[in-house]
Amino acid sequence: DAKTTQPPSMDCAEGRAANLPCNHSTISGNEYVYWYRQIHSQGPQYIIHGLKNNETNEMASLIITEDRKSSTLILPHATLRDTAVYYCIPRVGDKIIFGKGTRLHILP
Amino acid sequence: NAGVTQTPKFQVLKTGQSMTLQCAQDMNHEYMSWYRQDPGMGLRLIHYSVGAGITDQGEVPNGYNVSRSTTEDFPLRLLSAAPSQTSVYFCASSYYWDRKAFFGQGTRLTVV
Repeated sequence: DAKTTQPPSMDCAEGRAANLPCNHSTISGNEYVYWYRQIHSQGPQYIIHGLKNNETNEMASLIITEDRKSSTLILPHATLRDTAVYYCIPRVGDKIIFGKGTRLHILP
Repeated sequence: NAGVTQTPKFQVLKTGQSMTLQCAQDMNHEYMSWYRQDPGMGLRLIHYSVGAGITDQGEVPNGYNVSRSTTEDFPLRLLSAAPSQTSVYFCASSYYWDRKAFFGQGTRLTVV
């Protein structure tokens, strides 16, 4: 199974871009990388996913390195409402396995 | 669409009691799963299903049973509740070919 490594916590100033890294060096060639976040005690929320190419949607951008061993989630203009735990999750077969994630603090 | 609906939102059980946590989705998703989240911890997969009649174990299946008789519903049964099962339980669903999962708002369970 692909393992992920994320920093336990990060700070970002409000209005600045938040860049959240994820290392997934054991990911297989056909495994997508999914990003979710959990705000306080709510159910997790899907953000974005990708395979090889960089992806962008209304919430965020996802940059995947050419060797696919790591990716970066970018929140372009962070707000206080982006304070959450962010999870990087490779798709592994039929399971969605959450790691410990990164707790992002947005500083006013 | 209601999305993923979990009931009840809160529940207190006595040790040894049984109960069923309900999860329903109206998006015709094949894939459904249950997670538990202990205070200050991440989500751990309990059981999952890739379609009606098919279930499998996740990371922490002991003490829980599931069945999937319809596409829409995926109930989680606690046969004999223990204090260690005090947690917040989340249900999720997605299309099988896509892990863009939708989560319910959770059931907060306390076993005393």
